Amino acid sequence: GESVGLHLPTLSVQEGDNSIINCAYSNSASDYFIWYKQESGKGPQFIIDIRSNMDKRQGQRVTVLLNKTVKHLSLQIAATQPGDSAVYFCAENIPNFNKFYFGSGTKLNVKP
Amino acid sequence: TAGITQAPTSQILAAGRSMTLRCTQDMRHNAMYWYRQDLGLGLRLIHYSNTAGTTGKGEVPDGYSVSRANTDDFPLTLASAVPSQTSVYFCASSEGTGAPHTFGSGTRLTVV
Repeated sequence: GESVGLHLPTLSVQEGDNSIINCAYSNSASDYFIWYKQESGKGPQFIIDIRSNMDKRQGQRVTVLLNKTVKHLSLQIAATQPGDSAVYFCAENIPNFNKFYFGSGTKLNVKP
Repeated sequence: TAGITQAPTSQILAAGRSMTLRCTQDMRHNAMYWYRQDLGLGLRLIHYSNTAGTTGKGEVPDGYSVSRANTDDFPLTLASAVPSQTSVYFCASSEGTGAPHTFGSGTRLTVV
């Protein structure tokens, strides 16, 4: 999972396996969450989002799960591919502030 | 390709000098943002603009200024650079506040 510090947590998976990346968010009032993917030398890219009135949302090969009870968000990537290697981080939006707060990220390494 | 253009891509700057990082978007998004990204830390908001003609301070605004004279451009100025401003700077935009961001490719700034 994500944490604040000098080194990013790293998840190494074999190509073809499923990946699960976790995020603990900070504010129980947050009502909208986004997962971003950031490849080396590039800006973050939107992957999938979920609102607080849902607990699961599926995209193409990706699923986001939201557990509001423990303020936890996860991103599941099915059949992980080498192109999935990147840093993944979550962002939470707090109502009335209309700004996103970003986690520090998890680095995903996909081994061929 | 529609999106956000940042310039320069990278820069080495002597401490005490000033510099403006440029950001232009062609999506007609109302909101724009400047973040800095440091290893092990999440993206931190420097300044934002909810609409042309307005700006606001983010989490780490000291030493930076912005302007939003029109919808498309959102330059970030460092008046007198210090080594702690060494970072990767990302400009982003969104259709409105609380909407997913589209990010530029970043400017890597080293202050020596």
